[in-house]
Amino acid sequence: SQTIHQWPATLVQPVGSPLSLECTVEGTSNPNLYWYRQAAGRGLQLLFYSVGIGQISSEVPQNLSASRPQDRQFILSSKKLLLSDSGFYLCAWSVQGAGSKAFFGQGTRLTVV
Amino acid sequence: GEDVEQSLFLSVREGDSSVINCTYTDSSSTYLYWYKQEPGAGLQLLTYIFSNMDMKQDQRLTVLLNKKDKHLSLRIADTQTGDSAIYFCAESTIGGYQKVTFGIGTKLQVIP
Repeated sequence: SQTIHQWPATLVQPVGSPLSLECTVEGTSNPNLYWYRQAAGRGLQLLFYSVGIGQISSEVPQNLSASRPQDRQFILSSKKLLLSDSGFYLCAWSVQGAGSKAFFGQGTRLTVV
Repeated sequence: GEDVEQSLFLSVREGDSSVINCTYTDSSSTYLYWYKQEPGAGLQLLTYIFSNMDMKQDQRLTVLLNKKDKHLSLRIADTQTGDSAIYFCAESTIGGYQKVTFGIGTKLQVIP
């Protein structure tokens, strides 16, 4: 069966520090991969999605970047965190092709102080 | 671009039915989903409906789709305190890739 792992679960980082959140998927090949953010008091926002290795699409301009160095690995990064980067970050995957459900990791709660 | 809208908050009494509504703009939507997010947890897929269906029932959950009006609803029968959560409506479209667009989430509060 397919599983998705996301870590760490919680993270407290100072302003200006770098960030690296990692997500890996098991049990499937060539998935679509996604990073979402849920900011306090706001809904879920798609940040990045990827349809293949090295292929990243950004949905909103921001201080973050994403990379996909391997088929089932998706990394969310920042060189210098801002206070506004605080939020709940969710990684997700779906099967490629028409009409597919997204499956989510447990999320990372990031607090920038 | 695609847009999914839903109300922010709904309060119901335990044992009553809850109805959470959602509207979407993309007429090429293929699948429509309801996800549940409990406090401090990730999103869990509750149910989904293919765009050529009008209704889908799964135990206490009933999904109704009005494709003409681009309106989706989730009805929870006999709402329990454990149903308290944020419910996200989402849609996906056919294309060279699969992308899911989410609504802002409706917080359901169940009053004992």
